[in-house]
Amino acid sequence: AQSVAQPEDQVNVAEGNPLTVKCTYSVSGNPYLFWYVQYPNRGLQFLLKYITGDNLVKGSYGFEAEFNKSQTSFHLKKPSALVSDSALYFCAVTPWDSGTYKYIFGTGTRLKVLA
Amino acid sequence: GAVVSQHPSRVICKSGTSVKIECRSLDFQATTMFWYRQFPKQSLMLMATSNEGSKATYEQGVEKDKFLINHASLTLSTLTVTSAHPEDSSFYICSAPTTGGNTGELFFGEGSRLTVL
Repeated sequence: AQSVAQPEDQVNVAEGNPLTVKCTYSVSGNPYLFWYVQYPNRGLQFLLKYITGDNLVKGSYGFEAEFNKSQTSFHLKKPSALVSDSALYFCAVTPWDSGTYKYIFGTGTRLKVLA
Repeated sequence: GAVVSQHPSRVICKSGTSVKIECRSLDFQATTMFWYRQFPKQSLMLMATSNEGSKATYEQGVEKDKFLINHASLTLSTLTVTSAHPEDSSFYICSAPTTGGNTGELFFGEGSRLTVL
């Protein structure tokens, strides 16, 4: 079965420290991988995506993610966390070979950056 | 960038009434839109895929007669929760992919919080 796992419900990090939000996936075919962020009572905002090419993808607000095919992972990272980064983060994948936009979302990881 | 507008952002209704939520693509055409439901502290659950000019495709377990979806134009999809009950209270979010290239990226509305009393 195709799935996306975000093993951590919550990640706490001190402001200024590096942060990592983990994501692993299991899909058939070549996946497109995405990270989205959700602030309270808001829709999701696109952060970054991996389609092909360089395994290190840079996105909005200083975030980046590394695609690791052998480990089927796509962890989100940021060198220096800000309090304003506190939000709910979703990893998503769509097996593009299917020709559909049926995203498979992870369960979300709540990031809390402490001042 | 592409913008998806969702209205209303919050709605409170009495049990047994119907509520309509609109999802508009403001600066692009969307032949397809997606409707999600999000429970507190949980992920997004895809309810249905809205297709312009044709019937929506519902996910397994989603009641078609309960959640009516209409995609009458290339910029508007509506979700109507019919005969709402308290268990329908939730956060509903729509999204749409942009045209002009298969980037696979979705743009989301701001969400609509429905409270059924």
